[in-house]
Amino acid sequence: EAGVAQSPRYKIIEKRQSVAFWCNPISGHATLYWYQQILGQGPKLLIQFQNNGVVDDSQLPKDRFSAERLKGVDSTLKIQPAKLEDSAVYLCASSLKGDQYFGPGTRLLVL
Amino acid sequence: KQEVTQIPAALSVPEGENLVLNCSFTDSAIYNLQWFRQDPGKGLTSLLLIQSSQREQTSGRLNASLDKSSGRSTLYIAASQPGDSATYLCAVRPWDDYKLSFGAGTTVTVRA
Repeated sequence: EAGVAQSPRYKIIEKRQSVAFWCNPISGHATLYWYQQILGQGPKLLIQFQNNGVVDDSQLPKDRFSAERLKGVDSTLKIQPAKLEDSAVYLCASSLKGDQYFGPGTRLLVL
Repeated sequence: KQEVTQIPAALSVPEGENLVLNCSFTDSAIYNLQWFRQDPGKGLTSLLLIQSSQREQTSGRLNASLDKSSGRSTLYIAASQPGDSATYLCAVRPWDDYKLSFGAGTTVTVRA
C-alpha cells in the first residue's frame, strides 16, 4: 500500500513570496490533515478535511494560509505572503477510521 | 484545552541501556494515546497506540504504559541501539474528535 506522498520535500523562499505544498493521501482515505511543525515543537493541526469539505480550520491563519482539496483526493496548502515565522515542516496525514498516517513532510525555510 | 508535555527534551545514553521516555497530559478524557517516532527530515511513524481502556501495549523491545487517571504515559525501550536514535513524540486523541494533541518530543541519542 502506497503511503502519503508530499511534494516538494524542501523549499527555500524569501519573505513575502508565495509557496504551495501538495499532498496525495492514501487511496480511499476520506480524511486529510495538514500540520505545521516548528523546530523543537510538536505538530500543530492547521486544517482537517473530510472528503472535500473542511471539518476544522480553527488554527489556520486565514489571512495568509489557504488550503483546498479538490475532488476529495489531493490537497494543496498555500502560503501568501510568507513570513519568517512560517519556517517549519508541513506534514500531511490521512486516515480512514481514525488512525492517522503521515507523509514525509515539506521543510520550508523563509529567509 | 489539552496540554501534552514530554520530559526530558533530550536524552543521550550508551548503547545497551534501557530508555524511559515520559509523557503527561492535562485532560484525562482521552480516547487513546499514541507514540510516534520521527527521524530527521522524515515524517512520523506510529510505534504504539494505547486505547483509554488499556494499561499497556508492547511491540518487540518497546513497551508503553498508560495511567489515564494521573495523565501519564511512559515509553520503555529495552536494550537501546544506535538505530533507536530519533525524536519520540506522544499524542493524545479526545473522545469526540480525531484531532491529535502532540507533545514537543524527546530527542534520543544512543551512543555506540
